[in-house]
Amino acid sequence: EVQLVQSGAEVKKPGESLKISCKASGYSFATYWIGWVRQMPGKGLEWMGIIYPGDSDTRYNPSFQGQVTISVDKSINTAYLQWSSLKASDTAIYYCARHKLKTMAIGFDPWGQGTLVTVSS
Amino acid sequence: VIWMTQSPSIVSASTGDRVTITCRVSQGISSFLAWYQQKPGKAPELLIYTASTLQSGVPSRFSGSGFGTDFTLTISFLQSEDFATYYCQQYHSLPYTFGQGTKLEI
Repeated sequence: EVQLVQSGAEVKKPGESLKISCKASGYSFATYWIGWVRQMPGKGLEWMGIIYPGDSDTRYNPSFQGQVTISVDKSINTAYLQWSSLKASDTAIYYCARHKLKTMAIGFDPWGQGTLVTVSS
Repeated sequence: VIWMTQSPSIVSASTGDRVTITCRVSQGISSFLAWYQQKPGKAPELLIYTASTLQSGVPSRFSGSGFGTDFTLTISFLQSEDFATYYCQQYHSLPYTFGQGTKLEI
């Protein structure tokens, strides 16, 4: 079974750093694009970026470029989303999700369960 | 950036009804469109891809159509489990943007 399991909820203060994770299982991790999606409280889905674990080729939404870093560790089949200095406006649920197909983007499937990040002083 | 506009933002319906949700795209994207369903407190789930292909396991009362800039998601005989929020997403050009969502409520 293809599965993405995300790290647990985090509570941080503004200015702190954070790295959340998404562990993949049940498929060849290196050969599928994996992405991150933000959902702010009560709001819609925002596509943040994707990474190809095979060569770490990363594409960012310009709205998130420079605000976050997407990375992977192929040795442990895990993708990451990190911040160097959190803001209150980073409070959201963050989902990782895999492209349905290896060869082309036709949608995200499956999705991780989501990680709630709360940033508050 | 390609912009996605869903309508309506909220739709009220009853079980057994037929509902159509529209997604309008700011530029032509061929059939590079997906639809997702999200229930409260859960991750989104892929319903339809390439505008009209049903994801495995999705009931046949769901259907998608459209090409270019105008797309629709139709639910033909609403069941109680269909009340959720629905999102379209284009994957023609990076960034692969989502619509703002349509909440289907009882």
